Amino acid sequence: EPEVTQTPSHQVTQMGQEVILRCVPISNHLYFYWYRQILGQKVEFLVSFYNNEISEKSEIFDDQFSVERPDGSNFTLKIRSTKLEDSAMYFCASIVGREDSPLHFGNGTRLTVT
Amino acid sequence: GQQVMQIPQYQHVQEGEDFTTYCNSSTTLSNIQWYKQRPGGHPVFLIQLVKSGEVKKQKRLTFQFGEAKKNSSLHITATQTTDVGTYFCAERMTNFGNEKLTFGTGTRLTIIP
Repeated sequence: EPEVTQTPSHQVTQMGQEVILRCVPISNHLYFYWYRQILGQKVEFLVSFYNNEISEKSEIFDDQFSVERPDGSNFTLKIRSTKLEDSAMYFCASIVGREDSPLHFGNGTRLTVT
Repeated sequence: GQQVMQIPQYQHVQEGEDFTTYCNSSTTLSNIQWYKQRPGGHPVFLIQLVKSGEVKKQKRLTFQFGEAKKNSSLHITATQTTDVGTYFCAERMTNFGNEKLTFGTGTRLTIIP
């Protein structure tokens, strides 16, 4: 079965550094997402992406965050200047867009900001 | 913004006991999806409920959508150690072609063997 793949699985970075988290959504999916989960907490919506542009973003997704689909397969989340509170698991997800279709999540990237 | 609350936050049960988690919203939900997240894993889709009063079963799991579409529940009969994880409900919203899932706060289930 096709999967959403994310790299790296774990990223450690120093505060103030830029990080890029990478995702390859399932090939026939139309909507792409980034979600964040701080350890032990709920899964929080960051941003949705459709037709090569952001369709919705949450209040968490401030100017430090950006997303890109640089080619037909990759979908990236960039954090420009990381803060300690950005430490979390970041999940990429994609969905076909049909009425009954589920969200498919990648395995996540654990970001640790020191 | 829209908040979907789940209770309880944690549940410890003896293996073989039943388990129920409840999902509540102050506003009418368009539809509900349920996901399971194993420890250290990612959320995995279980089911979607759309119709008022809908009940769906998957083996030992029973999912219900309230008549007013403001609440939902997941009931597991005779829990097994493989049921360990966090169960999230999520509202799926479609708005002018934009699809979004808003997750509930989750219920973490631990099983005492």
